[in-house]
Amino acid sequence: AQTVTQSQPEMSVQEAETVTLSCTYDTSENNYYLFWYKQPPSRQMILVIRQEAYKQQNATENRFSVNFQKAAKSFSLKISDSQLGDTAMYFCAFMKHNTDKLIFGTGTRLQVFP
Amino acid sequence: DVKVTQSSRYLVKRTGEKVFLECVQDMDHENMFWYRQDPGLGLRLIYFSYDVKMKEKGDIPEGYSVSREKKERFSLILESASTNQTSMYLCAISPGQGTYEQYFGPGTRLTVT
Repeated sequence: AQTVTQSQPEMSVQEAETVTLSCTYDTSENNYYLFWYKQPPSRQMILVIRQEAYKQQNATENRFSVNFQKAAKSFSLKISDSQLGDTAMYFCAFMKHNTDKLIFGTGTRLQVFP
Repeated sequence: DVKVTQSSRYLVKRTGEKVFLECVQDMDHENMFWYRQDPGLGLRLIYFSYDVKMKEKGDIPEGYSVSREKKERFSLILESASTNQTSMYLCAISPGQGTYEQYFGPGTRLTVT
């Protein structure tokens, strides 16, 4: 069975600084997808970024980028130039290829301070 | 914009009551999901449906059932609510067929007293 581990329950960062959220996963699959979802306070969960396991290049979406290390089963999220609106719970998630089921980590609460 | 709505934002029920949580989508997506979210546990899949009248158990189906009579509506049913079902319940949808992003509703915070 697949598992997703987020070892940082809470993190904080100053506005305009860079922060990295960690995620590791365990799977015997070779073909899968990894995601970072963001859940702002009292607002809906939204997708931040997605990585296909077969792609070596790390995914990037504006200020958000990932460091995908397939051999180490590590998938960290880097947020550059942090903004107050980045304050949220961040969930790392895994999906096996050809399924639609997400397996979530326990989440990291990120607080951005002015 | 994808729209996923849930019938209530906050709900308070008594132990033993039958509880219905409803999720409605306007995107004609195939897949619909029910998760519960608890602090320190993340999101856990309760049930999902990939078509009308089709359902599959997720990781924690005990104490829950679901109904999908129409494509746009997916209901989560607590047959006899218990205090350990106090939680945040999130509905999600996805197009299926190799498109992997899930779109979430705003959530229902259920308290069972």
